[in-house]
Amino acid sequence: GNSVTQMEGPVTLSEEAFLTINCTYTATGYPSLFWYVQYPGEGLQLLLKATKADDKGSNKGFEATYRKETTSFHLEKGSVQVSDSAVYFCALSEKYSSASKIIFGSGTRLSIRP
Amino acid sequence: EADIYQTPRYLVIGTGKKITLECSQTMGHDKMYWYQQDPGMELHLIHYSYGVNSTEKGDLSSESTVSRIRTEHFPLTLESARPSHTSQYLCASSLDIGGGSGYTFGSGTRLTVV
Repeated sequence: GNSVTQMEGPVTLSEEAFLTINCTYTATGYPSLFWYVQYPGEGLQLLLKATKADDKGSNKGFEATYRKETTSFHLEKGSVQVSDSAVYFCALSEKYSSASKIIFGSGTRLSIRP
Repeated sequence: EADIYQTPRYLVIGTGKKITLECSQTMGHDKMYWYQQDPGMELHLIHYSYGVNSTEKGDLSSESTVSRIRTEHFPLTLESARPSHTSQYLCASSLDIGGGSGYTFGSGTRLTVV
C-alpha cells in the first residue's frame, strides 16, 4: 500500500540555519506529493506540491524536488526564521485513482531559536 | 481568507452530551473529509464523502457519524461524548484529488470532554 515516512522530530535550529526535513514515500502508481504546514492552534495549510517526477515545488523560501529514483521529496529552506516554527507534514495522493484520499506522514515539529 | 469553516473552534462539554461539529465550504468541492488529530500530531481519517448522500468510514474506527445532505455542509455528530473523544477535529475538502489538487483544511475544532 501507499505510505509516507518522514523525519522524526522535534527539530530545533537557530535562526538563519539551513533546514532539511526528509521525506520518502511508497506508492504503486504515480503520486502527487505535498508538504503541508500547521501553525499552533490552526489547521493544515498547503505549503507546496509537485505532481510529476523532477518537478520542484516552492513557496515562502521552502523548496522540495520530486525524486522518483529515490522516492523522496525532502523539504529545504536556506535560512529559517522564528516564524517558521510549526509542524510540517509530507503527503501523497495517487493520481487517476478512485481512492481519492491523501496519505500523510506523521509530522515533524520544527522549533527555531532566535 | 478561509473558504472552509469549522465551528466551534473550541468546545468543552460534559460526558454523555450530544454534540455536532460543523464544517462548511464555499468552493463547491465534491469531496470532504474529517480527520482526528492526536496530541502526537498524527492525522487519522475518520470519515469522508465523495458527494451528496455519499459517506464512508475512514481508516480509524470512530463512534461519530456524519451526513452530507448538501454539497457545502459536512457535519460530524457524537451522540454521547466521552473523555476518550477529547481531540482536535479537522475538516478538509478537495476539488480533484486524482488531479493533484490537494486538500483545503478548516481551522479545526478542539474538543474537550470532561
